[in-house]
Amino acid sequence: SQQGEEDPQALSIQEGENATMNCSYKTSINNLQWYRQNSGRGLVHLILIRSNEREKHSGRLRVTLDTSKKSSSLLITASRAADTASYFCATAISGSARQLTFGSGTQLTVLP
Amino acid sequence: ETGVTQSPTHLIKTRGQQVTLRCSSQSGHNTVSWYQQALGQGPQFIFQYYREEENGRGNFPPRFSGLQFPNYSSELNVNALELDDSALYLCASSDRRGLDYEQYFGPGTRLTVT
Repeated sequence: SQQGEEDPQALSIQEGENATMNCSYKTSINNLQWYRQNSGRGLVHLILIRSNEREKHSGRLRVTLDTSKKSSSLLITASRAADTASYFCATAISGSARQLTFGSGTQLTVLP
Repeated sequence: ETGVTQSPTHLIKTRGQQVTLRCSSQSGHNTVSWYQQALGQGPQFIFQYYREEENGRGNFPPRFSGLQFPNYSSELNVNALELDDSALYLCASSDRRGLDYEQYFGPGTRLTVT
Protein backbone atom coordinates (compact mmCIF):
# COMPACT_ATOMS: atom_id res chain seq x y z
CA SER A 1 0.00 0.00 0.00
CA GLN A 2 1.15 3.57 -0.64
CA GLN A 3 1.44 5.78 2.43
CA GLY A 4 2.29 8.92 0.50
CA GLU A 5 0.53 10.28 -2.52
CA GLU A 6 2.21 12.83 -4.76
CA ASP A 7 0.39 15.55 -6.58
CA PRO A 8 0.36 16.21 -9.47
CA GLN A 9 1.01 12.82 -11.11
CA ALA A 10 2.68 14.62 -14.01
CA LEU A 11 4.09 18.12 -14.44
CA SER A 12 5.53 19.78 -17.54
CA ILE A 13 7.34 23.13 -17.34
CA GLN A 14 9.80 25.26 -19.29
CA GLU A 15 13.46 25.42 -18.37
CA GLY A 16 14.06 28.17 -15.82
CA GLU A 17 10.62 27.90 -14.22
CA ASN A 18 10.03 26.59 -10.72
CA ALA A 19 8.47 23.18 -10.12
CA THR A 20 6.39 22.36 -7.05
CA MET A 21 5.36 18.84 -6.08
CA ASN A 22 3.21 17.92 -3.12
CA CYS A 23 3.02 14.82 -0.98
CA SER A 24 0.30 13.80 1.44
CA TYR A 25 0.54 10.93 3.90
CA LYS A 26 -1.76 9.22 6.35
CA THR A 27 -0.01 8.34 9.60
CA SER A 28 2.46 9.95 12.00
CA ILE A 29 6.02 9.88 10.74
CA ASN A 30 9.59 10.00 11.99
CA ASN A 31 10.84 11.65 8.82
CA LEU A 32 9.96 12.27 5.21
CA GLN A 33 12.41 11.90 2.35
CA TRP A 34 12.39 12.91 -1.30
CA TYR A 35 14.04 10.83 -4.01
CA ARG A 36 14.56 11.25 -7.75
CA GLN A 37 14.49 8.43 -10.30
CA ASN A 38 15.61 8.71 -13.90
CA SER A 39 13.95 6.42 -16.47
CA GLY A 40 13.24 3.42 -14.23
CA ARG A 41 16.74 3.27 -12.78
CA GLY A 42 17.93 3.51 -9.18
CA LEU A 43 16.70 6.23 -6.88
CA VAL A 44 18.82 9.16 -5.76
CA HIS A 45 18.26 10.63 -2.31
CA LEU A 46 17.55 14.36 -2.44
CA ILE A 47 16.67 15.51 1.06
CA LEU A 48 15.42 14.23 4.44
CA ILE A 49 13.27 16.31 6.76
CA ARG A 50 12.51 15.14 10.28
CA SER A 51 9.09 15.43 11.89
CA ASN A 52 10.24 18.28 14.15
CA GLU A 53 11.51 20.35 11.21
CA ARG A 54 9.38 22.63 9.06
CA GLU A 55 11.66 23.56 6.19
CA LYS A 56 14.98 22.47 4.67
CA HIS A 57 17.05 23.71 1.77
CA SER A 58 19.63 22.00 -0.39
CA GLY A 59 20.93 23.91 -3.39
CA ARG A 60 17.95 24.57 -5.67
CA LEU A 61 15.68 22.36 -3.56
CA ARG A 62 13.35 23.54 -0.83
CA VAL A 63 11.26 21.12 1.19
CA THR A 64 8.52 22.00 3.64
CA LEU A 65 6.72 19.74 6.08
CA ASP A 66 3.37 20.39 7.75
CA THR A 67 2.70 17.55 10.20
CA SER A 68 -0.70 18.99 11.17
CA LYS A 69 -1.85 18.62 7.57
CA LYS A 70 0.27 15.51 6.97
CA SER A 71 1.74 17.04 3.85
CA SER A 72 5.07 18.05 2.35
CA SER A 73 6.13 19.99 -0.71
CA LEU A 74 9.25 19.91 -2.84
CA LEU A 75 10.18 23.05 -4.74
CA ILE A 76 12.82 22.96 -7.46
CA THR A 77 13.86 26.47 -8.46
CA ALA A 78 15.26 27.49 -11.84
CA SER A 79 14.63 24.06 -13.32
CA ARG A 80 16.89 22.51 -15.93
CA ALA A 81 16.30 19.86 -18.58
CA ALA A 82 18.44 17.52 -16.44
CA ASP A 83 15.81 17.74 -13.68
CA THR A 84 13.46 15.68 -15.86
CA ALA A 85 12.73 12.58 -13.75
CA SER A 86 10.20 10.97 -11.43
CA TYR A 87 10.14 12.35 -7.90
CA PHE A 88 8.99 10.29 -4.93
CA CYS A 89 8.28 11.12 -1.34
CA ALA A 90 8.93 8.40 1.21
CA THR A 91 7.96 8.27 4.86
CA ALA A 92 9.50 6.49 7.81
CA ILE A 93 6.56 5.80 10.08
CA SER A 94 6.64 6.46 13.81
CA GLY A 95 6.98 3.25 15.79
CA SER A 96 8.14 1.33 12.74
CA ALA A 97 11.24 3.13 11.60
CA ARG A 98 12.38 0.18 9.48
CA GLN A 99 9.45 0.60 7.06
CA LEU A 100 10.18 3.26 4.44
CA THR A 101 7.00 3.74 2.40
CA PHE A 102 7.02 5.46 -0.99
CA GLY A 103 4.30 7.32 -2.83
CA SER A 104 3.47 6.76 -6.46
CA GLY A 105 5.56 9.68 -7.70
CA THR A 106 5.36 12.82 -9.83
CA GLN A 107 6.76 12.67 -13.36
CA LEU A 108 8.46 16.01 -14.02
CA THR A 109 9.33 17.04 -17.57
CA VAL A 110 11.43 20.16 -18.07
CA LEU A 111 11.32 21.40 -21.63
CA PRO A 112 14.40 23.16 -23.05
CA GLU B 1 34.13 4.81 -2.85
CA THR B 2 32.24 2.04 -4.66
CA GLY B 3 28.50 2.54 -5.07
CA VAL B 4 25.74 -0.02 -4.73
CA THR B 5 25.80 -2.62 -7.48
CA GLN B 6 23.19 -5.19 -8.46
CA SER B 7 23.24 -8.24 -10.68
CA PRO B 8 21.94 -9.24 -13.07
CA THR B 9 20.62 -6.15 -14.85
CA HIS B 10 17.80 -7.99 -16.56
CA LEU B 11 16.30 -11.42 -16.04
CA ILE B 12 13.50 -13.41 -17.67
CA LYS B 13 11.97 -16.31 -15.78
CA THR B 14 9.00 -18.59 -16.19
CA ARG B 15 6.11 -18.76 -13.72
CA GLY B 16 6.86 -21.27 -10.97
CA GLN B 17 10.64 -20.92 -11.19
CA GLN B 18 12.95 -19.54 -8.52
CA VAL B 19 15.24 -16.53 -8.84
CA THR B 20 18.16 -15.07 -6.89
CA LEU B 21 19.10 -11.41 -7.17
CA ARG B 22 22.35 -10.02 -5.79
CA CYS B 23 23.39 -6.74 -4.27
CA SER B 24 26.74 -5.37 -3.15
CA SER B 25 26.35 -2.56 -0.68
CA GLN B 26 28.33 0.63 -0.70
CA SER B 27 31.66 0.39 1.03
CA GLY B 28 31.29 0.77 4.80
CA HIS B 29 27.52 0.21 4.82
CA ASN B 30 26.17 -2.54 7.09
CA THR B 31 22.47 -2.30 6.27
CA VAL B 32 20.71 -3.40 3.07
CA SER B 33 17.05 -2.94 2.17
CA TRP B 34 15.20 -4.49 -0.77
CA TYR B 35 12.30 -2.94 -2.66
CA GLN B 36 9.95 -4.03 -5.43
CA GLN B 37 8.84 -1.41 -7.93
CA ALA B 38 6.05 -2.29 -10.33
CA LEU B 39 5.74 -0.27 -13.53
CA GLY B 40 4.34 3.19 -12.84
CA GLN B 41 4.38 2.72 -9.06
CA GLY B 42 6.63 3.71 -6.20
CA PRO B 43 8.97 1.17 -4.61
CA GLN B 44 7.50 -1.14 -1.97
CA PHE B 45 9.61 -2.25 0.97
CA ILE B 46 10.31 -5.99 1.05
CA PHE B 47 12.74 -6.32 3.97
CA GLN B 48 15.91 -4.99 5.51
CA TYR B 49 19.04 -6.75 6.75
CA TYR B 50 21.40 -5.41 9.38
CA ARG B 51 24.58 -7.31 10.18
CA GLU B 52 23.23 -10.54 8.66
CA GLU B 53 19.90 -10.46 10.54
CA GLU B 54 16.48 -9.52 9.17
CA ASN B 55 15.62 -6.13 10.62
CA GLY B 56 12.10 -5.46 9.42
CA ARG B 57 9.79 -6.83 6.75
CA GLY B 58 7.08 -5.40 4.56
CA ASN B 59 3.86 -7.02 3.40
CA PHE B 60 5.39 -9.74 1.22
CA PRO B 61 4.76 -13.50 1.41
CA PRO B 62 7.37 -15.93 2.78
CA ARG B 63 8.40 -16.99 -0.72
CA PHE B 64 10.37 -13.74 -0.71
CA SER B 65 13.45 -14.41 1.40
CA GLY B 66 16.86 -12.91 1.80
CA LEU B 67 20.36 -13.25 3.10
CA GLN B 68 23.10 -10.91 4.11
CA PHE B 69 26.70 -12.05 4.15
CA PRO B 70 29.60 -11.07 6.45
CA ASN B 71 30.83 -8.59 3.83
CA TYR B 72 27.31 -7.04 3.95
CA SER B 73 26.41 -8.02 0.40
CA SER B 74 22.92 -9.45 0.09
CA GLU B 75 20.69 -11.77 -1.89
CA LEU B 76 16.96 -11.67 -2.56
CA ASN B 77 15.39 -15.03 -3.34
CA VAL B 78 11.91 -15.45 -4.76
CA ASN B 79 10.37 -18.91 -5.01
CA ALA B 80 7.39 -20.05 -7.06
CA LEU B 81 7.45 -16.97 -9.28
CA GLU B 82 4.13 -15.43 -10.26
CA LEU B 83 3.37 -13.10 -13.16
CA ASP B 84 2.83 -10.24 -10.69
CA ASP B 85 6.42 -10.58 -9.51
CA SER B 86 7.49 -8.86 -12.72
CA ALA B 87 9.04 -5.61 -11.52
CA LEU B 88 12.21 -3.64 -10.94
CA TYR B 89 13.94 -4.88 -7.79
CA LEU B 90 16.02 -2.30 -6.01
CA CYS B 91 18.43 -2.67 -3.17
CA ALA B 92 19.63 0.19 -1.03
CA SER B 93 22.36 0.38 1.55
CA SER B 94 23.00 2.65 4.47
CA ASP B 95 25.40 2.78 7.37
CA ARG B 96 22.71 2.99 10.00
CA ARG B 97 20.12 0.55 11.21
CA GLY B 98 16.48 1.39 10.48
CA LEU B 99 15.36 3.92 7.93
CA ASP B 100 15.98 7.28 9.50
CA TYR B 101 18.97 7.89 7.32
CA GLU B 102 19.80 8.45 3.69
CA GLN B 103 19.74 5.31 1.60
CA TYR B 104 21.91 4.71 -1.44
CA PHE B 105 20.18 2.79 -4.20
CA GLY B 106 21.58 0.46 -6.81
CA PRO B 107 20.46 0.58 -10.47
CA GLY B 108 18.04 -2.30 -10.00
CA THR B 109 17.33 -5.68 -11.57
CA ARG B 110 14.48 -5.81 -14.05
CA LEU B 111 12.68 -9.16 -13.60
CA THR B 112 10.17 -10.36 -16.17
CA VAL B 113 8.07 -13.42 -15.37
CA THR B 114 6.35 -15.07 -18.33
